[in-house]
Amino acid sequence: AQKITQTQPGMFVQEKEAVTLDCTYDTSDQSYGLFWYKQPSSGEMIFLIYQGSYDEQNATEGRYSLNFQKARKSANLVISASQLGDSAMYFCAMREGGNDYKLSFGAGTTVTVRA
Amino acid sequence: GAVVSQHPSWVICKSGTSVKIECRSLDFQATTMFWYRQFPKQSLMLMATSNEGSKATYEQGVEKDKFLINHASLTLSTLTVTSAHPEDSSFYICSARRGGAHEQYFGPGTRLTVT
Repeated sequence: AQKITQTQPGMFVQEKEAVTLDCTYDTSDQSYGLFWYKQPSSGEMIFLIYQGSYDEQNATEGRYSLNFQKARKSANLVISASQLGDSAMYFCAMREGGNDYKLSFGAGTTVTVRA
Repeated sequence: GAVVSQHPSWVICKSGTSVKIECRSLDFQATTMFWYRQFPKQSLMLMATSNEGSKATYEQGVEKDKFLINHASLTLSTLTVTSAHPEDSSFYICSARRGGAHEQYFGPGTRLTVT
């Protein structure tokens, strides 16, 4: 079964607007971590944000925030004030407890920011 | 920040030859390093996990005799693709995690083309 599901293959967003990328996950562990990574066309994976399963507050890092809804098993990424440089592929990933820190990645969402 | 380098960034080799890819953590000691493979427009697929000084743990379906991983020090891991074939052509990405950290930091990737 898919551990991470990203249902949006591609999205367009206008510059300066906010965009929400969906991510749902499946785990029976109580302790787990959720991550978002950005992959521009250059190929490098850039770490954006992390949310632990026990964290009560939603994680924020600059223009990135993670909307963590534990009961729904969702961890959506919100990018505020989109910039042209935000155009990239975005991956949601999960680390389950006690698994040597291995990550399971979703299929990714391609974001294209329009001027 | 945590910087991970990979060398080479791209390589073309003939079928039947072996190719070695290096992954280095430049400014931190990596407790664990990971090797991923990524096909165009697809997600990352974990190949193996390696801890310094011990044998790598391979994911199901990954041939350990074909993809040799050596984690010689806390800052260096190598992936050797032995007897490469055209179907091994792919984007190979390594990542590294330092002790106590949640996130993995990724190298820029190596594009392998086998002719």
